[in-house]
Amino acid sequence: GAVVSQHPSRVICKSGTSVKIECRSLDFQATTMFWYRQFPKQSLMLMATSNEGSKATYEQGVEKDKFLINHASLTLSTLTVTSAHPEDSSFYICSASQGRATEAFFGQGTRLTVV
Amino acid sequence: GQNIDQPTEMTATEGAIVQINCTYQTSGFNGLFWYQQHAGEAPTFLSYNVLDGLEEKGRFSSFLSRSKGYSYLLLKELQMKDSASYLCAVKDSNYQLIWGAGTKLIIKP
Repeated sequence: GAVVSQHPSRVICKSGTSVKIECRSLDFQATTMFWYRQFPKQSLMLMATSNEGSKATYEQGVEKDKFLINHASLTLSTLTVTSAHPEDSSFYICSASQGRATEAFFGQGTRLTVV
Repeated sequence: GQNIDQPTEMTATEGAIVQINCTYQTSGFNGLFWYQQHAGEAPTFLSYNVLDGLEEKGRFSSFLSRSKGYSYLLLKELQMKDSASYLCAVKDSNYQLIWGAGTKLIIKP
């Protein structure tokens, strides 16, 4: 299957700082990537859909000024958590599809801890 | 609204067979997916059904009935490593993935 690489896998940051998470499709071009967050023992919650060359589409309740998404190329999308707070601590996962009807491939996820 | 239902938790014995059900109500249908997720890891793809019937892949099989809005994931010859959460997801008319809450499968020796 296709490979999606997410970096870093784990990050600890201080309150008030910003953290950038990268998501790369290594062997295919992804016009659309998705960003999720997941709290312990809960399912995936879609945060936003990232489209190459255009603004991301955010789900209701997700602050776009806090969670900045950039999809600069067909193989790279980034999520920046700005002015992080302890409540932003979570597991963030990106995914990408090769086509609209095909399966989504997931990055390894990023465990963010804000102290 | 859109909704996907699956049991919260199931327990099965090593070597046995378990069936995890999933029912869905979505605006449109463009395929149903099953993913496996171990604790602290990202989901990994297991199966994809877009037509009615059974898809078999090794120890795992997935079934779909579009008229009933129903799918199941069948796991045979259970192994301890199969202990994980199993997520059912449907692509709606906009090709957006709608996720179930996941079924935590506990395998006992």
